[in-house]
Amino acid sequence: DAGVIQSPRHEVTEMGQEVTLRCKPISGHDYLFWYRQTMMRGLELLIYFNNNVPIDDSGMPEDRFSAKMPNASFSTLKIQPSEPRDSAVYFCASSLGTGGVVEAFFGQGTRLTVV
Amino acid sequence: SQQGEEDPQALSIQEGENATMNCSYKTSINNLQWYRQNSGRGLVHLILIRSNEREKHSGRLRVTLDTSKKSSSLLITASRAADTASYFCATVSVVGNTPLVFGKGTRLSVIA
Repeated sequence: DAGVIQSPRHEVTEMGQEVTLRCKPISGHDYLFWYRQTMMRGLELLIYFNNNVPIDDSGMPEDRFSAKMPNASFSTLKIQPSEPRDSAVYFCASSLGTGGVVEAFFGQGTRLTVV
Repeated sequence: SQQGEEDPQALSIQEGENATMNCSYKTSINNLQWYRQNSGRGLVHLILIRSNEREKHSGRLRVTLDTSKKSSSLLITASRAADTASYFCATVSVVGNTPLVFGKGTRLSVIA
């Protein structure tokens, strides 16, 4: 398996624009996580899915953020409208189980810059 | 909220020396995991230690867990320049089936 695949790797956008980040988890994994990483706050869990169903989105910072998982092999994280403070690296990870018993596999991340 | 807190925030050592990083957490855990992140890359799982284990080894890595002190340590022996990376501990609470919660990490620099 190619691992968790995220696209794009880098995204630069202007404030107010819509941004869509994409993730393809490892085949067969039933959990998918979206994390955000900044120097100030470290790695924050935004939302996670189990069998395509959102389980906990309490980490989503605002209504401007939304995430979907239409099928087992694809998820999106959308920011609309984007703001400069959304600039961060966004990681998608998948695991078989919660990630608490077995390891979580991370994608390479999408570095988002909002100007 | 963040569960694990790594210490120190940054560590610089010479190649061949041992590196020790510590992690403290607040609530009871199911298990604790250590991950590594190279610059510009995603996190990679290193080792998992369960709450009923006290020590675990994997190659040059040694992890200890003290549940009474709510702390863990990661020791890298005979460090190499390639070990330069950020290291994170991640915990899973015993309360429910919760996902990994990460600390802010320790940035390790190994100087050749």
